[in-house]
Amino acid sequence: GDSVTQMEGPVTLSEEAFLTINCTYTATGYPSLFWYVQYPGEGLQLLLKATKADDKGSNKGFEATYRKETTSFHLEKGSVQVSDSAVYFCALSDLNNNDMRFGAGTRLTVKP
Amino acid sequence: KAGVTQTPRYLIKTRGQQVTLSCSPISGHRSVSWYQQTPGQGLQFLFEYFSETQRNKGNFPGRFSGRQFSNSRSEMNVSTLELGDSALYLCASSLGRGSYNEQFFGPGTRLTVL
Repeated sequence: GDSVTQMEGPVTLSEEAFLTINCTYTATGYPSLFWYVQYPGEGLQLLLKATKADDKGSNKGFEATYRKETTSFHLEKGSVQVSDSAVYFCALSDLNNNDMRFGAGTRLTVKP
Repeated sequence: KAGVTQTPRYLIKTRGQQVTLSCSPISGHRSVSWYQQTPGQGLQFLFEYFSETQRNKGNFPGRFSGRQFSNSRSEMNVSTLELGDSALYLCASSLGRGSYNEQFFGPGTRLTVL
């Protein structure tokens, strides 16, 4: 079935460093791809999404491009802040339902 | 607009008991999905309800069940609790079905089974 493989981490960076969290997927159809963020004690928040190949999702300085040829959706940010410390989940879902498949999550800690 | 609310936020039960969790979606949202989050298995899809009908179900035993009411509120029930059912249970609501509809997650109910 459809699945997501994500760099597990944890990842520790200094403030203003460059961030990359790798995500690859396996899917039989043409899924939509998502990055969610989970802050301590909270539910998941949608960070960005892309619905078709070559789409770039972006939000709050984070970006990810839907790469069909490499089945990847890597998350990047040019300059992280302490407030970006959280767990990041890559996910996919089929066009026609709400069955979302998540990666294992990557815990990011940004130190001042 | 109020977000997705889940009650209770924390719950402690013993093995063999049953439990009911509640989820109130964002006003106007008709789809509710449930997920289980554990350190070992990560986030796993339980089921999805739309217009009071279960539309999709994940790979969980029949002890896990749910329902949706006419006001779109949803409940999930776990019977004969096992230690491995200890988890954070997340509910998500969306306007409709399909990946074009953003899913909004609640804060979760943390269930501990002793």
